[in-house]
Parts: sequence; C-alpha cells; structure tokens
Amino acid sequence: AQSVTQLDSHVSVSEGTPVLLRCNYSSSYSPSLFWYVQHPNKGLQLLLKYTSAATLVKGINGFEAEFKKSETSFHLTKPSAHMSDAAEYFCVVRINYAGGTSYGKLTFGQGTILTVHP
Amino acid sequence: NAGVTQTPKFQVLKTGQSMTLQCAQDMNHNSMYWYRQDPGMGLRLIYYSASEGTTDKGEVPNGYNVSRLNKREFSLRLESAAPSQTSVYFCASSRPGQGGYTFGSGTRLTVV
Repeated sequence: AQSVTQLDSHVSVSEGTPVLLRCNYSSSYSPSLFWYVQHPNKGLQLLLKYTSAATLVKGINGFEAEFKKSETSFHLTKPSAHMSDAAEYFCVVRINYAGGTSYGKLTFGQGTILTVHP
Repeated sequence: NAGVTQTPKFQVLKTGQSMTLQCAQDMNHNSMYWYRQDPGMGLRLIYYSASEGTTDKGEVPNGYNVSRLNKREFSLRLESAAPSQTSVYFCASSRPGQGGYTFGSGTRLTVV
C-alpha cells in the first residue's frame, strides 16, 4: 500500500522569502508523484509531476520539486514567495504497478496550508 | 473549455433526503473518480470507474452509490443523506499512463 505524509500542516513565510513544503511517501512500487494546489473555495490545480524522468521537476509559477528515492521525499520549493501563493498544497502519490489493485489511483497527503505575510 | 464539469456547485440537504451529483468530462478519459475533501484529511476516494461499464469501491464508499452512465459521465448518489456526509465532493478523470488527474471545481454539500 502507498501513503503520503506532509510533514507540516501549516507553513508561514514572508513575501519574497523561500518556500519549503515537505512531503514523504511510501510505496512498494515505482510511484508517480504530484503536487496540487488549491486556492480558497477553488478546485485543485496541478503544479508539477514526477513520472520517472528527471528527478528535479519544474512546475508552474516558479515551483519545483526534487524526487529523492533514498529519502523517499518529494519536497516542494520556491525561491521567493508571492502573496498569490497563499493556498493549500497537496502532495499526491500514484501507483504505476498494473498488477495491483491500487493501480492508477491517487493517494493524497493531508495538505499544507501556506500563509504568505506582506 | 475542455475539462471536468460538476453540478451542482452547492447543495443543502436535510437528513434522509437523497440526491445525485453529476460529473461529465470531455477529454475522452477512460477513468473517472469521486473524492470527498474534509479539513485536515486531504482527499479520500469514494468510488472510481477504471473504464466504461466498471465501478469499484474506494476508501470511503459507505452511504454512496455510483453509476458510470457512459464514457463521459459518472454520477454519485446519496440515497439517505447524513450529516457526516457534509463535505466538498470532487470528480476527476484520467487517461491511462502516469499522468495526473483533471479535477472538477467541486460540489459543496451540507446536510442538516
């Protein structure tokens, strides 16, 4: 079975400072990993995805994440926070082993609420 | 615009009432999903349909039924709503492969 743990339920930063949202995963098989963002009262938007190509993945709005298999981590970073980055962020794992019952299904982390102060 | 369309966007039900949440996608995706989102719990899978004609239970199926009407449409039914089903419901679809999902904008359901 796969699982995702987002290590911080809330992160608060000042505008212009770096953002780090932490995510660890567990999976018996080669996973795909995603970060989604949800702005208040909105749907989910895909920020970036890792699908076994380059381990450093660049997404939209200046975000990037690095897949570290040895650490089972997929942390999300951004060099300089903007007020518009305030939202809830979800780390998500997808199992790619076609022989298992979990194939193709997403497992979500609990979410990290990012607050950006002026 | 291509994507996943959910209706209604908001709904208030009384305990015991029934309703159906509708979802349609126009991306020719094979797989469709229903999730519920509750504070501090991320999104949890209720039911999914890997392809037209098939449906399977997810993590939290109790109190729900689904119908994959055709390749485009996947509906979620609450036969007898309970306050514990107050939540935001998201429909999603995906194509085979390693890509992510496309989500609808959600239905905010309150059961009183």
